[in-house]
Amino acid sequence: GAGVSQSPRYKVAKRGQDVALRCDPISGHVSLFWYQQALGQGPEFLTYFQNEAQLDKSGLPSDRFFAERPEGSVSTLKIQRTQQEDSAVYLCASSLLGGRTMGNEQFFGPGTRLTVL
Amino acid sequence: AQTVTQSQPEMSVQEAETVTLSCTYDTSESDYYLFWYKQPPSRQMILVIRQEAYKQQNATENRFSVNFQKAAKSFSLKISDSQLGDAAMYFCAYRSATSGSARQLTFGSGTQLTVLP
Repeated sequence: GAGVSQSPRYKVAKRGQDVALRCDPISGHVSLFWYQQALGQGPEFLTYFQNEAQLDKSGLPSDRFFAERPEGSVSTLKIQRTQQEDSAVYLCASSLLGGRTMGNEQFFGPGTRLTVL
Repeated sequence: AQTVTQSQPEMSVQEAETVTLSCTYDTSESDYYLFWYKQPPSRQMILVIRQEAYKQQNATENRFSVNFQKAAKSFSLKISDSQLGDAAMYFCAYRSATSGSARQLTFGSGTQLTVLP
């Protein structure tokens, strides 16, 4: 069965380059989340979409980070002028509903490991 | 803001034995959910078990069970009959159930579990 997929799995960028990370959620899932996971740490929330609407972007660390989900399915996380501190695994998760019920489980993708040299 | 603390960066257990992973959290909310996720080296975050805060009965999923102490804000995971495939990083996570609250997960820093043959 199709789960959440992310591409690329690995990305190496030179400091100052722009990068784009893609997330394909499970088909029909309303909610989509982006998390950033530094080495040896737990994931930290970046942003949340309900369909195409970005309802929460409070976790984005700077204005160099931008996310979109224009048609309510695929999402792209863009990082402009990458810095070494942006090196991390970027995880995407989707859930079927937009609510807060217990059964609204988040399904995670395998992540994209970004290394900024 | 909610915080989740995992005070054991690393744990080890002998195959077939039992191990308990600790988690504490801080919140002013009364309605929330707690989760344990497993993250193997492949990075795919997998839900292990979940608990609704208003339920006093501890959740159980096969060899995995929790000890939920709401007053103490403690949520430990017990793995019985440990198997080699249980080796992974384990994350405790919190999600609010309060109307108007954030929908994302708040994670602890993780416990790396090693299973010894």
